[in-house]
Amino acid sequence: GAGVSQSPRYKVAKRGQDVALRCDPISGHVSLFWYQQALGQGPEFLTYFQNEAQLDKSGLPSDRFFAERPEGSVSTLKIQRTQQEDSAVYLCASRSRQGLYEQYFGPGTRLTVT
Amino acid sequence: SQQGEEDPQALSIQEGENATMNCSYKTSINNLQWYRQNSGRGLVHLILIRSNEREKHSGRLRVTLDTSKKSSSLLITASRAADTASYFCATGGGSRLTFGEGTQLTVNP
Repeated sequence: GAGVSQSPRYKVAKRGQDVALRCDPISGHVSLFWYQQALGQGPEFLTYFQNEAQLDKSGLPSDRFFAERPEGSVSTLKIQRTQQEDSAVYLCASRSRQGLYEQYFGPGTRLTVT
Repeated sequence: SQQGEEDPQALSIQEGENATMNCSYKTSINNLQWYRQNSGRGLVHLILIRSNEREKHSGRLRVTLDTSKKSSSLLITASRAADTASYFCATGGGSRLTFGEGTQLTVNP
């Protein structure tokens, strides 16, 4: 079966622009996660969905970041008024159900803000 | 914020040698996972060890866990060029994973 897919793979935005990053999780996976990975660092948690409910958004760095998963499948991470410090790789992961710990990651979207 | 630290930050070895990388973490855990990240395949789960386990094997991988020292190690035996990647330990798993900063492993042919 297909893995987690993300689009676009690369995005260049001018400072102040809004961007939308898409994640298609593995079909049937209940949980979905977004992480931000700066160059040379490990991924850092942003937010977590179980089905369509956003259960934890404590990792979102500012109110410019917004994530949704309206039908419990595809998710979109939106960043408004992008800043240079938003430049990073944004990783999406999914997990089949609560009680399991392994997460399946997509290839990521590399965002560069100029 | 990162959960802990991994060392070394970078490791370069010859094909066929063993590679050991270490991870320390800060809080009590239920389990610890190791992931590998390379440009070809992204971030991939390697192995999970539960807090009541001390050692676990999977193929050429051996993971140890010392909860009294809040540390874990990953040993890759008989390394191959294809093992070249960054390796991360991660704790948590209920609602999030918390990753270390990673060890960059280079295996020279």
